Amino acid sequence: GAVVSQHPSWVICKSGTSVKIECRSLDFQATTMFWYRQFPKQSLMLMATSNEGSKATYEQGVEKDKFLINHASLTLSTLTVTSAHPEDSSFYICSARTRLAGPIYEQYFGPGTRLTVT
Amino acid sequence: GQQLNQSPQSMFIQEGEDVSMNCTSSSIFNTWLWYKQDPGEGPVLLIALYKAGELTSNGRLTAQFGITRKDSFLNISASIPSDVGIYFCAGATSGTYKYIFGTGTRLKVLA
Repeated sequence: GAVVSQHPSWVICKSGTSVKIECRSLDFQATTMFWYRQFPKQSLMLMATSNEGSKATYEQGVEKDKFLINHASLTLSTLTVTSAHPEDSSFYICSARTRLAGPIYEQYFGPGTRLTVT
Repeated sequence: GQQLNQSPQSMFIQEGEDVSMNCTSSSIFNTWLWYKQDPGEGPVLLIALYKAGELTSNGRLTAQFGITRKDSFLNISASIPSDVGIYFCAGATSGTYKYIFGTGTRLKVLA
């Protein structure tokens, strides 16, 4: 199946600093990538949709100036958490959409990045 | 954000038993996906459904796309300890690429 990687897998940073998370589709081209956030024992909440070469679309309640998303190529999207605060501590998961045939797409997820802000 | 309701929230079963879980929505979906997530890892796609009434299997897993398009079911036969994890459903409406995720079903298998 399609493989999506994330780097780093976990990161600890101090409050006020910025952290960049990379998401790569390893064996397919992804015109669309998604960023999710997951708190402990909760479901995945979509933060933003990233299309290659264009600005990301953010879900309601997600601060676009705080969570900067760049989708520079068909295999790479980055999420930068700016001026991180302890409440930003969470599990961040990216996914990439691939087209199977016609209007049928599937979504594959990365392994996630655990962010802890101290 | 919007979420789908999954049932049950959690379940303990004996190894070898069959498991059933479902996902319901107030909206009609055109695509349903089922994922399994192990602790500290990203979700892994198990089964994808694209047509109302469709029944699809993947090994011991079988999923169905409800006729009403507002629900989906996942069955696991002859459960084994490695089936432990959280199972999420996800649905998308026609013309969109945004999947809405269910609340999850936590499965624990007792050996």
